[in-house]
Amino acid sequence: AQKITQTQPGMFVQEKEAVTLDCTYDTSDQSYGLFWYKQPSSGEMIFLIYQGSYDEQNATEGRYSLNFQKARKSANLVISASQLGDSAMYFCAMREGRSYNTDKLIFGTGTRLQVFP
Amino acid sequence: GAVVSQHPSRVICKSGTSVKIECRSLDFQATTMFWYRQFPKKSLMLMATSNEGSKATYEQGVEKDKFLINHASLTLSTLTVTSAHPEDSSFYICSARAGEYNEQFFGPGTRLTVL
Repeated sequence: AQKITQTQPGMFVQEKEAVTLDCTYDTSDQSYGLFWYKQPSSGEMIFLIYQGSYDEQNATEGRYSLNFQKARKSANLVISASQLGDSAMYFCAMREGRSYNTDKLIFGTGTRLQVFP
Repeated sequence: GAVVSQHPSRVICKSGTSVKIECRSLDFQATTMFWYRQFPKKSLMLMATSNEGSKATYEQGVEKDKFLINHASLTLSTLTVTSAHPEDSSFYICSARAGEYNEQFFGPGTRLTVL
């Protein structure tokens, strides 16, 4: 069963507008972590933001915020004030379990975001 | 953030040859590193978890004799694609854990083309 689902293969947003990238997940663990990564055309994976399953507050990091709805098992990324440099692939990922020594990341299929002037 | 480097960034080789890819953590020690493979316009698939001083843990379906992993020090893991074939052509990315959330920091990737 797919554990991380990103239903939007591509999204367009105008510069300076906000955009939401969807991510839903499936796990039976009580303890897990959710990550968002950005992959520009150069190929490098850039860590954006993290949300722990026990965190009560939604994570924020500059223009990035995570809309965490635990009951719905969704962890959508919100990018405010989009910039042309935000154009890239965005991956949602999940780490299951408490033990950081045995964790591994499971990635979604990604969403390609294109910001236009 | 923590810096992970990979070398080479791009390699083209003939079918049947072996290719070694290096992954280094530059400003931190990494007892665990991860190797991923990414096909064009696809997601990252974990191939194996590299553990310093012990054998790597391979994901289901990944041939350990085909993809040799050596994690000889706390800052270096290597992936050797043995007897490469055109179907091994892909983008290979390594990562290591660091940071406040034990997030994975990724190397810039290695694009392998097997002719």
